[in-house]
Amino acid sequence: QQQVKQSPQSLIVQKGGIPIINCAYENTAFDYFPWYQQFPGKGPALLIAIRPDVSEKKEGRFTISFNKSAKQFSLHIMDSQPGDSATYFCAASMEGAGGTSYGKLTFGQGTILTVHP
Amino acid sequence: DAGVIQSPRHEVTEMGQEVTLRCKPISGHNSLFWYRQTMMRGLELLIYFNNNVPIDDSGMPEDRFSAKMPNASFSTLKIQPSEPRDSAVYFCASSLTLPRTGLYEQYFGPGTRLTVT
Repeated sequence: QQQVKQSPQSLIVQKGGIPIINCAYENTAFDYFPWYQQFPGKGPALLIAIRPDVSEKKEGRFTISFNKSAKQFSLHIMDSQPGDSATYFCAASMEGAGGTSYGKLTFGQGTILTVHP
Repeated sequence: DAGVIQSPRHEVTEMGQEVTLRCKPISGHNSLFWYRQTMMRGLELLIYFNNNVPIDDSGMPEDRFSAKMPNASFSTLKIQPSEPRDSAVYFCASSLTLPRTGLYEQYFGPGTRLTVT
């Protein structure tokens, strides 16, 4: 119930394409869904995050779509660039009893994105 | 702010030796997380602390692994004795988590690449 399943494992697109990465979860108590971006040799960094009270959030070229009934969320990268080549992780977190989640994140397995020039 | 600081950045050791990884979280953050990343298993949460107290160590693979947080600005992850299968990148992350505010952003350090021969 704590798992977050991410697909695809890898994705190759041409510059300007719109890669889409999908995640699914089981635990309906999750209430925070971030995406992290990781470049080789670096730690993951927060890219964008959404809460289940909205169905979509945009920040620049990055958009999260959220489907609460299907328990799925996805990341879309508009006008993708070679500099977007990285590993992307979805994650989920929830407020525990009395607000005691302490910010623990459950991560998906990651998607390696390659954007060709 | 310098961000999360980890040391060493690279560690090569022989099987059976003790390894100590160090982490300095971002000043003011109250939660600290240790992760291990491998190609096979992805990003695994090992243990996390809140206000210097270990909250959940269920991800620690074996008794050979131990972690401490003696104060708000320092944490260690120790492996004794180390084995080749411990080879991975170990990340430390910190966050400021406040009950019922939904603040969950984690800031990752650059990681320590551990190789056990």
